[in-house]
Amino acid sequence: DVKVTQSSRYLVKRTGEKVFLECVQDMDHENMFWYRQDPGLGLRLIYFSYDVKMKEKGDIPEGYSVSREKKERFSLILESASTNQTSMYLCATTPSAGLGSPLHFGNGTRLTVT
Amino acid sequence: AQSVTQPDIHITVSEGASLELRCNYSYGATPYLFWYVQSPGQGLQLLLKYFSGDTLVQGIKGFEAEFKRSQSSFNLRKPSVHWSDAAEYFCAVGGGYQKVTFGTGTKLQVIP
Repeated sequence: DVKVTQSSRYLVKRTGEKVFLECVQDMDHENMFWYRQDPGLGLRLIYFSYDVKMKEKGDIPEGYSVSREKKERFSLILESASTNQTSMYLCATTPSAGLGSPLHFGNGTRLTVT
Repeated sequence: AQSVTQPDIHITVSEGASLELRCNYSYGATPYLFWYVQSPGQGLQLLLKYFSGDTLVQGIKGFEAEFKRSQSSFNLRKPSVHWSDAAEYFCAVGGGYQKVTFGTGTKLQVIP
């Protein structure tokens, strides 16, 4: 069974801080994704990566960056946290083989920026 | 651009009653369609998916969904709801290069 682990369930940070959200997967999946989830807006794609050191912008990349130095780890970085980045952040993975492979999600990190 | 509409934000059903959650999508080609469920404090779990073949798809936990191309719909159904089905449900559409677009979700409340 695929395991996607997000290092923190809850985080509280101050405005202007640099924030790192970490995601690790144990199934050798090529594709990794960061979504944010807000009430009434569903899930919106921030960034995704289909290989080590590769990244692509999603629908809402502004204010975020990502890093993928190893296949199993995908980090989301908030360069200077702002209150409008208070949200639930979900990491997900899929294998490269086969379009339409379902996403495997971690349990999420609830970030509060004060 | 692809999109998904879930018109019902919140639905309440009695335990044992039938359930139908609506989903309409917009996609230029044959879509991959998914239903995910999210229990409180958890990530999303796949219930079922459709790409081709039989338009009635069976999933886990007794759920099924029917793909209707003419109506651009992929509604989720369950004949008899259990209290443990209370959760938020997301419909999603995806296709090339793994990009998946989610609906805004429907929150299901089950009353005894």
